[in-house]
Amino acid sequence: EVQLVQSGADVKKPGESLRISCKGSGYTFSSYWISWVRQMPGKGLEWMGKINPGDSYTHYSPSFQGHVTFSADKSISTAYLQWSSLKASDTALYYCARGKFYDFGDVWGQGATVTVSS
Amino acid sequence: QSALTQPPSASGSPGQSVTISCTGTISDIGGYKYVSWYQQHPGKAPKLMIYEVTKRPSGVPDRFSGSKSGNTASLTVSGLQAEDEADYYCSSYAGSNNVFGAGTKVTVL
Repeated sequence: EVQLVQSGADVKKPGESLRISCKGSGYTFSSYWISWVRQMPGKGLEWMGKINPGDSYTHYSPSFQGHVTFSADKSISTAYLQWSSLKASDTALYYCARGKFYDFGDVWGQGATVTVSS
Repeated sequence: QSALTQPPSASGSPGQSVTISCTGTISDIGGYKYVSWYQQHPGKAPKLMIYEVTKRPSGVPDRFSGSKSGNTASLTVSGLQAEDEADYYCSSYAGSNNVFGAGTKVTVL
């Protein structure tokens, strides 16, 4: 079965760092891009950007450029979304989704909740 | 990057059809064939319903269909069923970025 499994919920304080993960299985991980999608509480979906696990090429949405970092370790079929200094406004549900260069979303992770509060 | 424009809500009775529009620009919907539609039930991850404007992934009922004219894409759900009640989001490739619509809540009356 093709699936993406994300790490669990995290609670952090403003200014702290965080890395969440997305592990693929059932397919050749390096052959598909991984997109990251944010959903703030009660709001819609926002595309954050994507990474190619095969060569770690990344592209960030202008709205998220400079605030988050994507990485991947193809040897363990895992992609990561990282913050170096969290803000309260980063509180949201974060999804990873499999895709190609132009589109995405044939497979989704279950979502990872990040709560940032002092 | 501006979000694509969707109506906030749509509704229909069981068995009826509902069509959701998604309006963008020549820089996104009008310029590419990569329009997707996702269904999201409360508390669940999104599910791909339509990709490349008109294609259905395996397992998606043929009651769901997509189309595009100019800068506007549409999702039609025919023969509405209770389980179709959900939020629906459109997305388009926009030249290195992808962009979502704000979502449409479909209610089955």
